[in-house]
Amino acid sequence: GQQVMQIPQYQHVQEGEDFTTYCNSSTTLSNIQWYKQRPGGHPVFLIQLVKSGEVKKQKRLTFQFGEAKKNSSLHITATQTTDVGTYFCAALYNQGGKLIFGQGTELSVKP
Amino acid sequence: EAQVTQNPRYLITVTGKKLTVTCSQNMNHEYMSWYRQDPGLGLRQIYYSMNVEVTDKGDVPEGYKVSRKEKRNFPLILESPSPNQTSLYFCASGRMAGYTFGSGTRLTVV
Repeated sequence: GQQVMQIPQYQHVQEGEDFTTYCNSSTTLSNIQWYKQRPGGHPVFLIQLVKSGEVKKQKRLTFQFGEAKKNSSLHITATQTTDVGTYFCAALYNQGGKLIFGQGTELSVKP
Repeated sequence: EAQVTQNPRYLITVTGKKLTVTCSQNMNHEYMSWYRQDPGLGLRQIYYSMNVEVTDKGDVPEGYKVSRKEKRNFPLILESPSPNQTSLYFCASGRMAGYTFGSGTRLTVV
């Protein structure tokens, strides 16, 4: 079935360091979404990427969609303690019906 | 306020006792879905619905049932719960661009 691989599973950083998580698919994706889940919380939608090579920014967060639309990344510049949580990528299949999540990257930030 | 409401938030039940977890959304979304979250396994889709009376299996549908009789509600039914269904369950609704998740239901089956 469809799969989205996400790495790393865990990332521990010192506050102020950068952080990147990567997603890869063996098949071409129509789009990819990113979510953040705070500890004890529920996933919250961050952004959707649709176009090949697309780059979007939200303050310190930069999202990229690969040229072949098979991979994506989320980069956080100068992490803060408020960035703590698990970041998931998710790929949409079946015209919106199936949203398949990567395994997530758990980010911890040491003050 | 736009939201997805799940109930209950916590539930402890015994093996074999039928239960229903309710999910309701007030955003008039066509798409709704159920996920379970387990440590190390991320979020796995159980069932989804693209509109009223239209439901389809996700990746882990065994042991679960759903119904979509009206647009706002999408209950998850466990006819005969087993301990391996102990998990954190999330309902989600949305359109193509981004989904809203409920606060989750932590289910323990003993």
